[in-house]
Amino acid sequence: DQQVKQNSPSLSVQEGRISILNCDYTNSMFDYFLWYKKYPAEGPTFLISISSIKDKNEDGRFTVFLNKSAKHLSLHIVPSQPGDSAVYFCAARGAQGGSEKLVFGKGTKLTVNP
Amino acid sequence: NAGVTQTPKFRVLKTGQSMTLLCAQDMNHEYMYWYRQDPGMGLRLIHYSVGEGTTAKGEVPDGYNVSRLKKQNFLLGLESAAPSQTSVYFCASSNTGNEQYFGPGTRLTVT
Repeated sequence: DQQVKQNSPSLSVQEGRISILNCDYTNSMFDYFLWYKKYPAEGPTFLISISSIKDKNEDGRFTVFLNKSAKHLSLHIVPSQPGDSAVYFCAARGAQGGSEKLVFGKGTKLTVNP
Repeated sequence: NAGVTQTPKFRVLKTGQSMTLLCAQDMNHEYMYWYRQDPGMGLRLIHYSVGEGTTAKGEVPDGYNVSRLKKQNFLLGLESAAPSQTSVYFCASSNTGNEQYFGPGTRLTVT
């Protein structure tokens, strides 16, 4: 059973516009959420995170929103740039009994067109 | 500060052969992880370690063994490789259980 779901395998946006990547989760015990970015032939790199006690975290062009009641988080990239083209993974950490592990979604491939 | 390094970067094995993938980190992290990435499957945890001398099973541990004899190293072994183990393998480390830092990956093909 998939606990972290990224239902859109791919997303294409124009340079300068907003990119919105979505992630849903099923386990209400998750207390920390992360987004990773992965370029081809490289390892994933940490992008931004949010604790379950917050509903928004912002870092430059990247903002993550958390809606606990809906078990949904989203990553907004504004403005999108061609260098943002990559696969984005959503990940979640359990509050107890496995808090050292992350559960990853399957990823969304973002393409930003010039 | 090299971060997380993986050896080798590429490898081709024949079915039944064995090999060991080496992961090293220079950040003094307690936790280390091995993942595999397959098309459309995301990152799946194979085994992990919460400290030197400890190991634990992840989501897809069958066919793999691990060892953490030194804090900075985490080894992933395939005793008898199968074509289903063709994948890209990533090692990661963490000090808090939150952000994990990943290596560049090892692309393994089993024929």
